[in-house]
Amino acid sequence: QKEVEQDPGPLSVPEGAIVSLNCTYSNSAFQYFMWYRQYSRKGPELLMYTYSSGNKEDGRFTAQVDKSSKYISLFIRDSQPSDSATYLCANSDAGNMLTFGGGTRLMVKP
Amino acid sequence: EAGVVQSPRYKIIEKKQPVAFWCNPISGHNTLYWYRQNLGQGPELLIRYENEEAVDDSQLPKDRFSAERLKGVDSTLKIQPAELGDSAVYLCASSYEGGGYGYTFGSGTRLTVV
Repeated sequence: QKEVEQDPGPLSVPEGAIVSLNCTYSNSAFQYFMWYRQYSRKGPELLMYTYSSGNKEDGRFTAQVDKSSKYISLFIRDSQPSDSATYLCANSDAGNMLTFGGGTRLMVKP
Repeated sequence: EAGVVQSPRYKIIEKKQPVAFWCNPISGHNTLYWYRQNLGQGPELLIRYENEEAVDDSQLPKDRFSAERLKGVDSTLKIQPAELGDSAVYLCASSYEGGGYGYTFGSGTRLTVV
């Protein structure tokens, strides 16, 4: 079992839909939780950062962390075709190393 | 401010040949990472530098891979000899000390071994 797991997708939604992307992890030491967005042939870019449990909102994006169930979610409201990308969940303990999930490919159709 | 710069962007080589990738991190970032990303998978850490010291290289296949970070700034990752299974995207990232806040990645070098 991998430490961080994501459904690979692809997830296809119509423009304007609410998107829910999910991630589970097994390492109880993880305290930092991040979502990266990766466009085709580009490096990952940091989208959202959360420390410990709770919610964080940034524009159309909301990240939720439930440490009790080791479950992480990213919600995208009013999804746009420009949101089409692969979304990587990444977790870290107090150290410097990020452990990534395999990513979920999202396609938002006009 | 320039981001993390990697070169070359693409490289095609025959198996058993050597290849090298170069990375210039964001100015002031003392921690540098090399990750490998296989098709359809998330990045996996190969090596982490704190300044010029390699502090985590447990996932680096040392029989054929080597890396260096001279003067604690630019870094080079080398493969010699390359194997077919080394085809992947090699990503460089950098952060301030305490990278739990997330890294900044370069665009990567896409290596194809034929």
